[in-house]
Amino acid sequence: DGGITQSPKYLFRKEGQNVTLSCEQNLNHDAMYWYRQDPGQGLRLIYYSQIVNDFQKGDIAEGYSVSREKKESFPLTVTSAQKNPTAFYLCASSIDRVKNSPLHFGNGTRLTVT
Amino acid sequence: GIQVEQSPPDLILQEGANSTLRCNFSDSVNNLQWFHQNPWGQLINLFYIPSGTKQNGRLSATTVATERYSLLYISSSQTTDSGVYFCAVVAGTASKLTFGTGTRLQVTL
Repeated sequence: DGGITQSPKYLFRKEGQNVTLSCEQNLNHDAMYWYRQDPGQGLRLIYYSQIVNDFQKGDIAEGYSVSREKKESFPLTVTSAQKNPTAFYLCASSIDRVKNSPLHFGNGTRLTVT
Repeated sequence: GIQVEQSPPDLILQEGANSTLRCNFSDSVNNLQWFHQNPWGQLINLFYIPSGTKQNGRLSATTVATERYSLLYISSSQTTDSGVYFCAVVAGTASKLTFGTGTRLQVTL
């Protein structure tokens, strides 16, 4: 079955450590996105990529980094520079630019940093 | 940037009732989508609806882009409809979706 796989589902880290969240899709979608959700809040865009080897900052990119070396993979690194990293992280993809096509989400990774 | 407001923020329904959720946006949009987030955090795309009306089972949505709003109708609600409903828009020349603050729906027996 085609879909978006995020791993792990839960992740625990100590403050000061970098951590990488995995996102893989087998939908052959060109565009991929990372969102952050805090409790009781909406979704905020961290980074997005519309094509391999290219990505753009979203609204809250500080303290995060990404790569897009393969079409199917868009890993997110939460660095020690991110002041409040504990959150629910959602990866998404769309077949084309999102203004032209629906967005589909993975099941998310809950990151807790202590 | 564009502002996306959803109302009501919270809604409690008895099973079988109907409801209308509203999404207002502050600028012209190219694209509007409705999502349902279940209590476990999973987000499902309900509608891709930049204009007009669409129906999918007990759910339907209408977007009136010229008046800058969209409505999501839920008929004969079920407990599995509980969760948070988000609308999201792509404004003007933007390349990203901006999400509203959501409507939290609880359907009780």
